[in-house]
Amino acid sequence: GDSVTQMEGPVTLSEEAFLTINCTYTATGYPSLFWYVQYPGEGLQLLLKATKADDKGSNKGFEATYRKETTSFHLEKGSVQVSDSAVYFCALSHNDYKLSFGAGTTVTVRA
Amino acid sequence: EAGVTQFPSHSVIEKGQTVTLRCDPISGHDNLYWYRRVMGKEIKFLLHFVKESKQDESGMPNNRFLAERTGGTYSTLKVQPAELEDSGVYFCASSQEGVVGNGYTFGSGTRLTVV
Repeated sequence: GDSVTQMEGPVTLSEEAFLTINCTYTATGYPSLFWYVQYPGEGLQLLLKATKADDKGSNKGFEATYRKETTSFHLEKGSVQVSDSAVYFCALSHNDYKLSFGAGTTVTVRA
Repeated sequence: EAGVTQFPSHSVIEKGQTVTLRCDPISGHDNLYWYRRVMGKEIKFLLHFVKESKQDESGMPNNRFLAERTGGTYSTLKVQPAELEDSGVYFCASSQEGVVGNGYTFGSGTRLTVV
């Protein structure tokens, strides 16, 4: 079955540092890939997505590129802010109604 | 537009008791989903409703869990009797189309602690 593996946290960074969260997946076919974010006290929000190989998803300064050859979808941001403190989840879907998530990575950014 | 609303936000119950979680989807969303995150692990799919019908309940862990969506509006997820391993965060999501995408909206979750 499908599975998503992301780097374990927690990750603690200083403001303006570079953030990368690794995500790899195992799946049949060509799934769509997602990053969701959960800010404290809020629901899961879609951060970015990519639907085919070599696509780059981007939003709020975050980027991730769908790499089929390495089955990866690493999340990056060049300069984090305190407001980026959250739990980040990598996920995949076979373009249907169901998401398969990774375990989540807690990121704390200190001023 | 109101988002997906879940309540309670937190619930602490004793092992063997019953708990009912509620989810109010976005108005007009026929598709409703339940997910669960246990002990900081991955978020796992539980089931999918289309209106009042269960389309996929393959993720329901056992028969202590009962989900309903009478009238195709709000949904409830009942755990009876609760066990320690049921502790976790239960998320609900809804969408107009039955496909993951921009319109697939999650609630803030119910944190269930069984002691």
